[in-house]
Amino acid sequence: DGGITQSPKYLFRKEGQNVTLSCEQNLNHDAMYWYRQDPGQGLRLIYYSQIVNDFQKGDIAEGYSVSREKKESFPLTVTSAQKNPTAFYLCASSPGPFRTVSYNEQFFGPGTRLTVL
Amino acid sequence: KNQVEQSPQSLIILEGKNCTLQCNYTVSPFSNLRWYKQDTGRGPVSLTIMTFSENTKSNGRYTATLDADTKQSSLHITASQLSDSASYICVVSAWGGSYIPTFGRGTSLIVHP
Repeated sequence: DGGITQSPKYLFRKEGQNVTLSCEQNLNHDAMYWYRQDPGQGLRLIYYSQIVNDFQKGDIAEGYSVSREKKESFPLTVTSAQKNPTAFYLCASSPGPFRTVSYNEQFFGPGTRLTVL
Repeated sequence: KNQVEQSPQSLIILEGKNCTLQCNYTVSPFSNLRWYKQDTGRGPVSLTIMTFSENTKSNGRYTATLDADTKQSSLHITASQLSDSASYICVVSAWGGSYIPTFGRGTSLIVHP
């Protein structure tokens, strides 16, 4: 059953703590992305990776870190430096710019809702 | 700067009625345009995807149109159902560069019985 999974679905964190959100895909996609969604706002890009062992900052990377050691996995760490971490986090994957495909369509995971107490 | 603007911001309709959502974009050079449906608390799910040469595409009761000359797209929902209540997001991708798509803020649709 191919797809993209995120865990956990809900996450609670105390102020000052780092927390890591998991994202795994078995679609054989090269590219993976992390987005943040706040109520009434569109998706904002945090980080993206178009190939293993490489990643780029998005529009709101401050206070976040990522790694891409495996093609299937793209974990996101929300650090204590992130001032307003409470949000809905979405992971996505796509074939990537190096594939010959008709559409470089993004597929999204179910999301993780992070709440800072 | 690449931008995607959606209207209206929110919409309330009665079950069984039709509605049309709008998307205007300034993304260039244009590659493709996608409409996603996002239920509350869930990830977006793709409804349709269109390239430059496609000006209409249907997926059940959802029909998307694209006018690449005016850089406008619309999503028409026919005979709305309660399950259509969701946010509808327009996403446009450009050729080249980082291939990162540009997202609209979405239209929140509420279907009342």
